[in-house]
Amino acid sequence: DGGITQSPKYLFRKEGQNVTLSCEQNLNHDAMYWYRQDPGQGLRLIYYSQIVNDFQKGDIAEGYSVSREKKESFPLTVTSAQKNPTAFYLCASSIVSGGELFFGEGSRLTVL
Amino acid sequence: AQSVTQLGSHVSVSEGALVLLRCNYSSSVPPYLFWYVQYPNQGLQLLLKYTSAATLVKGINGFEAEFKKSETSFHLTKPSAHMSDAAEYFCAVHYGGSQGNLIFGKGTKLSVKP
Repeated sequence: DGGITQSPKYLFRKEGQNVTLSCEQNLNHDAMYWYRQDPGQGLRLIYYSQIVNDFQKGDIAEGYSVSREKKESFPLTVTSAQKNPTAFYLCASSIVSGGELFFGEGSRLTVL
Repeated sequence: AQSVTQLGSHVSVSEGALVLLRCNYSSSVPPYLFWYVQYPNQGLQLLLKYTSAATLVKGINGFEAEFKKSETSFHLTKPSAHMSDAAEYFCAVHYGGSQGNLIFGKGTKLSVKP
């Protein structure tokens, strides 16, 4: 089945540690996205990529980094510079930039 | 700045009652419009989308939405609520341009009472 796989689903991190969230898609989509979701705030865009080896900052990129070395993969690193990293993180992809989004199941990060 | 407003962070209806979730966007230029649904601890899935073909759009699970340009609205409705409709619903807008990402509303959590 085609889709988007995010891992891990739950992750705990100590303050000061970097952590990387995985996102893999087999939909052959060009565009991929990372969103952060906090209660009552909707979805906020962290980074997006329209093509391999290229990505752009979204609205809340500070403290995060990404790479897009393969079309299928778009990992997100939450660095120690992110002041409040506890959140639900969603990865998505679309055939074309701005088109209908297909979402993964999400990764919940908790900083202890 | 472009924006999307969902009126009401929480809506509660009785099973069998009409569901109405409101969404307004900020531009007079017709954008592409979407409604997504999210069940607890899951990703979002598409309910329906408006892409200028027809103003009344039918989606999955009996939901539909009507695009009203004069009111800059795209409200989501369902004639008869079911317990399984309890979830959070997000309206999203794409205004076009080279950046091409969606702007999401803050979401409306729908509760369905037996």
